[in-house]
Amino acid sequence: DSGVTQTPKHLITATGQRVTLRCSPRSGDLSVYWYQQSLDQGLQFLIQYYNGEERAKGNILERFSAQQFPDLHSELNLSSLELGDSALYFCASSVGLGLATGVETQYFGPGTRLLVL
Amino acid sequence: QKEVEQDPGPLSVPEGAIVSLNCTYSNSAFQYFMWYRQYSRKGPELLMYTYSSGNKEDGRFTAQVDKSSKYISLFIRDSQPSDSATYLCALGAGNNRKLIWGLGTSLAVNP
Repeated sequence: DSGVTQTPKHLITATGQRVTLRCSPRSGDLSVYWYQQSLDQGLQFLIQYYNGEERAKGNILERFSAQQFPDLHSELNLSSLELGDSALYFCASSVGLGLATGVETQYFGPGTRLLVL
Repeated sequence: QKEVEQDPGPLSVPEGAIVSLNCTYSNSAFQYFMWYRQYSRKGPELLMYTYSSGNKEDGRFTAQVDKSSKYISLFIRDSQPSDSATYLCALGAGNNRKLIWGLGTSLAVNP
């Protein structure tokens, strides 16, 4: 158990809908990362937050948004859903920004499996 | 060309075999090289972490980095059925904390 929790575990919805995925990082971790994993694209980095502020952006669509709250939990909002958004969405957390080493070890949650019908 | 290439397999070996998993990359700025293991329906977990070139050993696992060839490897000795998983390489550069991930190689170790 990594200490990162994600809810819900499974989500089935229809095209055009909006969903919110939630993540609670490990105790003491300030950074939260969101990833999308599909069979053909692999693990794709979406966005990173550190202590409430956006720090890095990856291949995140404009229909997707995220935020990190004062208690450090994070939410990923997916709107105007399309069939192609069906994937596993992972949240990961790390202690900080890796200022000394450049890269932080990331601890992954169990993921949310999203199916868009 | 993708920044990181990894053969997705699947790779199937008998128990006790030596397994070699590899990634190639194109960006010479990468300095941090990680291997994550992902069991079915679980999140990835960090297995090995190497900075710059060289080898790193941890039990049955050895990570190698050849920066001149832009090639990284993970070796598993005396493979066990419990090693059956997908192995992902992840690479990072010092100033950009975004990790670039390989697609993952699916490994099955058969008893």
